[in-house]
Amino acid sequence: GDSVTQMEGPVTLSEEAFLTINCTYTATGYPSLFWYVQYPGEGLQLLLKATKADDKGSNKGFEATYRKETTSFHLEKGSVQVSDSAVYFCALIDGSSNTGKLIFGQGTTLQVKP
Amino acid sequence: DTAVSQTPKYLVTQMGNDKSIKCEQNLGHDTMYWYKQDSKKFLKIMFSYNNKELIINETVPNRFSPKSPDKAHLNLHINSLELGDSAVYFCASSQGLGGRSNQPQHFGDGTRLSIL
Repeated sequence: GDSVTQMEGPVTLSEEAFLTINCTYTATGYPSLFWYVQYPGEGLQLLLKATKADDKGSNKGFEATYRKETTSFHLEKGSVQVSDSAVYFCALIDGSSNTGKLIFGQGTTLQVKP
Repeated sequence: DTAVSQTPKYLVTQMGNDKSIKCEQNLGHDTMYWYKQDSKKFLKIMFSYNNKELIINETVPNRFSPKSPDKAHLNLHINSLELGDSAVYFCASSQGLGGRSNQPQHFGDGTRLSIL
């Protein structure tokens, strides 16, 4: 079945450092890909998405490019802030899905220190 | 003006009890979901409803029974609570069921269920 794998956390960075969180997926169809962020004590918020190969999703300085050849959707940010500390989830929906089933990776905790 | 609201936010109860969690969305969406997040933060879908019709039922014990009285509400009732039910339960909603033109799912803030 479809699955998403993220790099193990926690990731600890200093403020203004460069961030990469790796995400790879396995899917039988052509999935849409998402990054969600969960701040402490809150629900998940959509950070960015890409629906087809080579699409780049971006929001709040974060970017991720849908790479079909490497089945990856790595999250990057050029300069992290303390306020970016959160848990980040990579997720997919099968492009042919008629159920809306989101499949999540295991989440990566990011801690940014001042 | 909360988009997806869940009640209660915290629920502490004894093993064997029956409890319910309520979810309401004011986004006009036609699809609602329940997810379970375990202590390691892993998220897994439990149920989804589209226009009050059950779409996904992911091998969840039949002690869990979702009920959708209308498109804006999806409640979760749990019978005979067990220690392993301790988790954070998230409600979400979206317009449509996914696919290439899917709309993102909007999540509530979660209900933290603790079984003593």
